[in-house]
Amino acid sequence: QKEVEQDPGPLSVPEGAIVSLNCTYSNSAFQYFMWYRQYSRKGPELLMYTYSSGNKEDGRFTAQVDKSSKYISLFIRDSQPSDSATYLCAMTDSWGKLQFGAGTQVVVTP
Amino acid sequence: GAGVSQTPSNKVTEKGKYVELRCDPISGHTALYWYRQSLGQGPEFLIYFQGTGAADDSGLPNDRFFAVRPEGSVSTLKIQRTERGDSAVYLCASSLRGTGANVLTFGAGSRLTVL
Repeated sequence: QKEVEQDPGPLSVPEGAIVSLNCTYSNSAFQYFMWYRQYSRKGPELLMYTYSSGNKEDGRFTAQVDKSSKYISLFIRDSQPSDSATYLCAMTDSWGKLQFGAGTQVVVTP
Repeated sequence: GAGVSQTPSNKVTEKGKYVELRCDPISGHTALYWYRQSLGQGPEFLIYFQGTGAADDSGLPNDRFFAVRPEGSVSTLKIQRTERGDSAVYLCASSLRGTGANVLTFGAGSRLTVL
């Protein structure tokens, strides 16, 4: 079993809908949680960073961490076709290596 | 530079050949990471440098893989006797330590194809 589980999708939504993404993990030592966006043939780009449990909002993006359930989520409001990409969750127990999920492909249709 | 630069962007080689992939991190970033991303998968950690030394090389799959960062800036990932299973995108990332948030900035990757 992988340390970080993420549904690969694809997840297809109409423009303007809310996109809901999530990851589960098994390592209770993880305390730093990130979401990266990756466009085709590009490197991952950091979207959100959260330390420990709680919610964080940045514009149309909201990240949630529930350490008791070992579950993290990313919500994208008012989705746009430009949001079509692969979304990767990542986490770490320290400032070293990140453990990534497999990524969820999101397609926002006009 | 403004971002993390990786060369070559694409490399096609034959099984058994030697390959070098180069990473030029963001100026002033002391930490440098190599990851490998196979098709449909998330990036997989290979090695992490703090300055010139490898702080964690636990992700290198075997002794055919080696990485150096001799002057604490540019890094080279070296793969000997390449195998078809080495085909993947090799991603480099750098970060500025000591800011309280270890935010990794990734390059676009080097796509390696072993025939």
